[in-house]
Amino acid sequence: DVKVTQSSRYLVKRTGEKVFLECVQDMDHENMFWYRQDPGLGLRLIYFSYDVKMKEKGDIPEGYSVSREKKERFSLILESASTNQTSMYLCASSFREGVGELFFGEGSRLTVL
Amino acid sequence: AQKVTQAQTEISVVEKEDVTLDCVYETRDTTYYLFWYKQPPSGELVFLIRRNSFDEQNEISGRYSWNFQKSTSSFNFTITASQVVDSAVYFCALKVGPIGYGKLTFGQGTILTVHP
Repeated sequence: DVKVTQSSRYLVKRTGEKVFLECVQDMDHENMFWYRQDPGLGLRLIYFSYDVKMKEKGDIPEGYSVSREKKERFSLILESASTNQTSMYLCASSFREGVGELFFGEGSRLTVL
Repeated sequence: AQKVTQAQTEISVVEKEDVTLDCVYETRDTTYYLFWYKQPPSGELVFLIRRNSFDEQNEISGRYSWNFQKSTSSFNFTITASQVVDSAVYFCALKVGPIGYGKLTFGQGTILTVHP
């Protein structure tokens, strides 16, 4: 069974804290993505990566950075969390030569106080 | 730029009713792919279907059917004889360019509630 695992389902952080969201996939996918989900706005792409050590900005990269040191792992970093980053964060992966179908993790709900 | 619009924010039906979820997309590319995903209360988005821009054939899978019309830039999703287990958030998404690369652009999502 294909699996995308996000390290934390629920996190509560304080403004200004550094936050790490981890995502691991076991399907040997080349592509990995971080989306943010907010009511009424759908899913918006933050960053994505086509290969190890490669990254590209999505639609809303401000305030975020990413790291992809290994093929199976893609981390989202909030250098200094702010209240407007309270959201559901979804990690996804896909094959480069596949049909474009994304496989998603269960999501990490982050609350910044 | 690409855009996906799901005008229906929330839909509420009673079990066994048919329900159609609307999706309208915008792109200048001639090669593109359209997707539907389901997000149940557990949170994990589940892939339902993919269509490419060259294939306007409608598709039926059990109680699910999809109507793709390039003339109106729409890719609507119908659930026949809805069930409580169909309650979820449904997302329509668009991808342009070669398969395997590029990002999916999602619509705002439609919350479907099926009452017993």
